[in-house]
Amino acid sequence: GAVVSQHPSRVICKSGTSVKIECRSLDFQATTMFWYRQFPKKSLMLMATSNEGSKATYEQGVEKDKFLINHASLTLSTLTVTSAHPEDSSFYICSAIDAGVVGNEQFFGPGTRLTVL
Amino acid sequence: DQQVKQNSPSLSVQEGRISILNCDYTNSMFDYFLWYKKYPAEGPTFLISISSIKDKNEDGRFTVFLNKSAKHLSLHIVPSQPGDSAVYFCAAMEGGNTPLVFGKGTRLSVIA
Repeated sequence: GAVVSQHPSRVICKSGTSVKIECRSLDFQATTMFWYRQFPKKSLMLMATSNEGSKATYEQGVEKDKFLINHASLTLSTLTVTSAHPEDSSFYICSAIDAGVVGNEQFFGPGTRLTVL
Repeated sequence: DQQVKQNSPSLSVQEGRISILNCDYTNSMFDYFLWYKKYPAEGPTFLISISSIKDKNEDGRFTVFLNKSAKHLSLHIVPSQPGDSAVYFCAAMEGGNTPLVFGKGTRLSVIA
């Protein structure tokens, strides 16, 4: 199946710093990518929808100024956690939809574990 | 309000027996359903899906059943293997290019 990568796989940072997470579709073009966050013992929660060439659509309760999303190309979306705090520590996962395939499957990246000290 | 519900947080099954994971949904606009398997610290991996126009889809040891009138779907794994031990997420969507709505997951433990 299609491959989606995320970089870095894990990151530890100090409180107040910013962290950028990359999501790449390696063998297909993705006009739409989604960013999810997984809370302990909870489901995957959608944070935002990232559309190539336009502004991201954020879910209710997600601070767009804190979680900056850029989808600059058909194969890359980035999530930047600005002024990170310990409560931002989580597992962030992106998914992408293959623009060239008619279907509904989303391909997930391996996730990024963020720990804010 | 949770649109996709997995009411059993955990399930233990003996190796070789059938595992049945259940999922209920409330949004009648959902027309595509998927099951994902997830190991700790990894992204979900796709298992099997079903469109709302079908009531059953089978792929090897995995079968998904959909009961639209009851807004219920289930994943059957038979025979269960120790390697199947993971968290299984039920997910639903309203159509192409829309985000998935996930249930909270069910942790399956297959005991040898």
